[in-house]
Amino acid sequence: QQKVQQSPESLIVPEGGMASLNCTSSDRNVDYFWWYRQHSGKSPKMLMSIFSNGEKEEGRFTVHLNKASLHTSLHIRDSQPSDSALYLCAASRNTEGADRLTFGKGTQLIIQP
Amino acid sequence: EAAVTQSPRNKVAVTGGKVTLSCNQTNNHNNMYWYRQDTGHGLRLIHYSYGAGSTEKGDIPDGYKASRPSQENFSLILELATPSQTSVYFCASGDPGGALEQYFGPGTRLTVL
Repeated sequence: QQKVQQSPESLIVPEGGMASLNCTSSDRNVDYFWWYRQHSGKSPKMLMSIFSNGEKEEGRFTVHLNKASLHTSLHIRDSQPSDSALYLCAASRNTEGADRLTFGKGTQLIIQP
Repeated sequence: EAAVTQSPRNKVAVTGGKVTLSCNQTNNHNNMYWYRQDTGHGLRLIHYSYGAGSTEKGDIPDGYKASRPSQENFSLILELATPSQTSVYFCASGDPGGALEQYFGPGTRLTVL
């Protein structure tokens, strides 16, 4: 069973629109959430991380975290064609020796010009 | 930015053959990781290491071995390659601690015929 669930599997958003991606962990021991972005044919690169309840904004990207429900969401406003990519959510724990990321299957985002 | 390199970038192997994938990082990170990425499965952890001489099993270690001869190098070994091991393999590095980012290499596309 996948411990990190992402939805939707794919998403088409018009250029300039808002994209909203969701991620939930079934492991109640996770402490940190990560969003990685992977353009086609490239390697994943960390986009944003969030460790505390609430919201974090970096430019056009906003991440929310609800630790009680182990749910995080990524919102991209004013979406650009260059935002088209696979978005991977990952979770990790704050325990000694637990330096592992568990990834979800990803959301394929397509921004239509 | 962290530098992680992988070799080869592409590899075609025959069933039953031995395959070695190599990874090098120049950032003096203690931890290194091997993942495979398949459509519909996201990134799955195969093996990881906390430092030279150490290897740990990830979530899908069967059919794979790992070797960490030095801080900089981490290899993934397929002793008897099978077609089910056809995939894209990513190496990553990072410092210890669940709150620290992982940096990915460019990936190796392996095809086992």
